[in-house]
Amino acid sequence: QPVLTQPPSVSATPGQKVTIPCSGGSSNIGSNYVSWYQRLPGTAPRLLIYDNNRRPTGIPDRFSGSKSGTSATLDITGLQTGDEADYYCGTWDSSLNSGRVFGGGTKLTVL
Amino acid sequence: QVHLQESGPGLVRPSETLSLTCTVSGGSISNYYWSWIRQSPGKGLEWIGYIYYGGSANYNPTLKSRVTISVDASETQFSLQLSSATAADTAIYYCARGVISRGHYFDFWGQGVLVSVSS
Repeated sequence: QPVLTQPPSVSATPGQKVTIPCSGGSSNIGSNYVSWYQRLPGTAPRLLIYDNNRRPTGIPDRFSGSKSGTSATLDITGLQTGDEADYYCGTWDSSLNSGRVFGGGTKLTVL
Repeated sequence: QVHLQESGPGLVRPSETLSLTCTVSGGSISNYYWSWIRQSPGKGLEWIGYIYYGGSANYNPTLKSRVTISVDASETQFSLQLSSATAADTAIYYCARGVISRGHYFDFWGQGVLVSVSS
């Protein structure tokens, strides 16, 4: 079981806003920064958000991240059909027997 | 633009060692954490480990006894060795560049290579 919990799927229509949650614990999200990745079908994962809410150069501001306590959220506004992909959250887990951890991934379907 | 490319056998026999190489171009290997991450069929991403360009490595505790990550002397490649492979190691393997600033994240990824463990 992944250390971080994400819903397996979410769906929305073009133009809408979608929120993808990521839940963890005090040793991971609660005490470390969160990053988010997008994996379009057949492509390599792409960094969307790092340090909870920062976007790399080239990532549209339609994508935003936030963190509160032991949970993090990825928001996508103005949904486009090209946003249909798998989304993963990730962070560091500071407990003795962990390291870098990811969520199980959320499949976004744009109807 | 940094580019990473995985290479290695697509089929490994059970009990043998899975070996992959990642070639890095377009940037220096210095000051980053060079990582391996995999995704088994139907599952999420799993971090395997990383090596810092200076040579220190850190591995996923669940795989630590079987994993070795090393940097090539040319400092343009780094490698993964996973010993005693089983069917559970069948996955798409990605190499990625890791950054540790305030947080830990992977800013560039390879396309991934599918490795099947089967007799």
